[in-house]
Parts: sequence; C-alpha cells; structure tokens
Amino acid sequence: KQEVTQIPAALSVPEGENLVLNCSFTDSAIYNLQWFRQDPGKGLTSLLLIQSSQREQTSGRLNASLDKSSGRSTLYIAASQPGDSATYLCAVRKVIGGAQKLVFGQGTRLTINP
Amino acid sequence: NAGVTQTPKFQVLKTGQSMTLQCAQDMNHEYMSWYRQDPGMGLRLIHYSVGAGITDQGEVPNGYNVSRSTTEDFPLRLLSAAPSQTSVYFCASSSTLLPGQGQPQHFGDGTRLSIL
Repeated sequence: KQEVTQIPAALSVPEGENLVLNCSFTDSAIYNLQWFRQDPGKGLTSLLLIQSSQREQTSGRLNASLDKSSGRSTLYIAASQPGDSATYLCAVRKVIGGAQKLVFGQGTRLTINP
Repeated sequence: NAGVTQTPKFQVLKTGQSMTLQCAQDMNHEYMSWYRQDPGMGLRLIHYSVGAGITDQGEVPNGYNVSRSTTEDFPLRLLSAAPSQTSVYFCASSSTLLPGQGQPQHFGDGTRLSIL
C-alpha cells in the first residue's frame, strides 16, 4: 500500500528564511507528485506538479524536487514571507485497483513569523 | 472562470437524515473525485469518476453514493447520516488520465458537514 509521509508536522520560522519541506513515499511507481497549499477553512491550491520523468519544477520562490528512486520530494521556499503561512500537502498519483488515484500526506503546517 | 464549485459550504444534519453535496466544474474535466479530510487522517478518497456514466469506489466509500450523469456535475449523497461522517468534504477534478501525463488536480473550497 502506498504511504505518503510529511515531516515535520509543523514548522515555525522567522520571516526571510529559506526553508525545505519534506515528503516521502513508499512506492516509487508513481505518475507524478503534486504539492498543494491549504489555508485555514479553505480548499487546496495546486502549487507545483512534477511528472515522474522530471527532477524538479519551479514557480517563483518555490522549487520542488523529485527523487523517485529514494521515494522523496522536497519543496523549497525561498525568502519566506508571513503570507506563506499555511498547511502544505504533497500527493502522489499512481494506479491503485486499475485507476489513477491521489494519495496524500498529512501535511506540514507552516508558520512564518514577522 | 469558476473552476470547481461546491455547495453548500456548511451543513448540520441529524443522524439518519440524508443529503446531497453538490460539485460542479466548468473546465470540461473528465476526472472528478470526492475526498474527506479529517484531523490526523489526511485526505481520503471516497468515490471517483473517469467520465460521465462511470464511477468507482475509493478508499472509504461506505455510506456514500455518487452518480455522474454529465461531465460537469458529480454529486455525493449521504444516504443515512452518521456522526462518523462529520468531516470536511472536498471535490476535485482534473483532465486526462493518460499515464505519464497526469494533470494538476483542482479542488473546490469544501463543504463542512456536522452530523449530530
């Protein structure tokens, strides 16, 4: 069974720091990995999608990497801002029971202190 | 562009009542799915659909029914609400399911459901 783990569960850093969020998955047979942001009381906003054949994706201050062989992905946030405070979720897309499905980690709750 | 729209945003039910959570998307996406999000459990897949007229069960389907009569709509029905179904429900959609060409999942803002 595919399991996705995100460590740490919560992280608090001062504004301006660069930081890394971690995501690990047990089965490397994935189609892609997606990073989401979730603000309190809101839905999920897609940040970055990395296909299984790719190593990384960048969007603004965000950079996500993927290492399928080791079952790991990282989300790098440069020059963090208070507006980056949210819960960050990673999810892998793979075939389960003959259909493509997303399997989510439980998220890292990030707080950026002014 | 509305994206994925869920209604209602909040609902309180009594045990045994039934209701339908609505989900609509305007992106012509083939793939739609329902998740529930619970503290300590993360997001779990309830049901999904790969196109109009085609649905299948996810990880936690018991107590829920779905149908997909159109590409745009994918309602989730609670047949007889139970306190264990108190949760936040999210609907999501994406295009193409071709292997290696997975597209981003788009999520609605959720329905917060309490069963008393």
